[in-house]
Amino acid sequence: DTAVSQTPKYLVTQMGNDKSIKCEQNLGHDTMYWYKQDSKKFLKIMFSYNNKELIINETVPNRFSPKSPDKAHLNLHINSLELGDSAVYFCASSQGSWQPQHFGDGTRLSIL
Amino acid sequence: KNEVEQSPQNLTAQEGEFITINCSYSVGISALHWLQQHPGGGIVSLFMLSSGKKKHGRLIATINIQEKHSSLHITASHPRDSAVYICAVTGNQFYFGTGTSLTVIP
Repeated sequence: DTAVSQTPKYLVTQMGNDKSIKCEQNLGHDTMYWYKQDSKKFLKIMFSYNNKELIINETVPNRFSPKSPDKAHLNLHINSLELGDSAVYFCASSQGSWQPQHFGDGTRLSIL
Repeated sequence: KNEVEQSPQNLTAQEGEFITINCSYSVGISALHWLQQHPGGGIVSLFMLSSGKKKHGRLIATINIQEKHSSLHITASHPRDSAVYICAVTGNQFYFGTGTSLTVIP
């Protein structure tokens, strides 16, 4: 049973499109995160949700919006995709903020 | 300058060698994390430390809060330890190091 699952695993789309990446965790954790890993493999926190409240929002463009319908899900919506959005996006969860995290397998987003 | 610096950037070792990866940080922290990213891309949390030392199997992590420094040691290294090891710290934000790419040769 996958603990943190992201879909899709790969996403290829054109510049200007709107897309979503879904994330679900079945660990009963109360905090979920989205990370971006760029082509140089550098990880950066994008968002964190704790009990459906946004507790950190790094300086990411407002084209990116996290949406959490319930504690087990944190989806990432991206509007007007740009070339620079090409990266691998990781979802993660933990019990308590910044406690040891379980990561999803990543979603590789490629913008044409 | 990055808030978290790791060294070395790349490391190649023979199977069985003792390995040390270093992490220095410049911000106030509440905890330090060591992560492992496998060649396939998956990320695993290895340790979370706020003081002292932790051990899990052949992996040992230490932290010196006064010196703002942490080390990750791997004893009796094995080719399956080949991965990127990432140091991250939590303070008022979450900062990542750039990773250390480890290759263990049989």
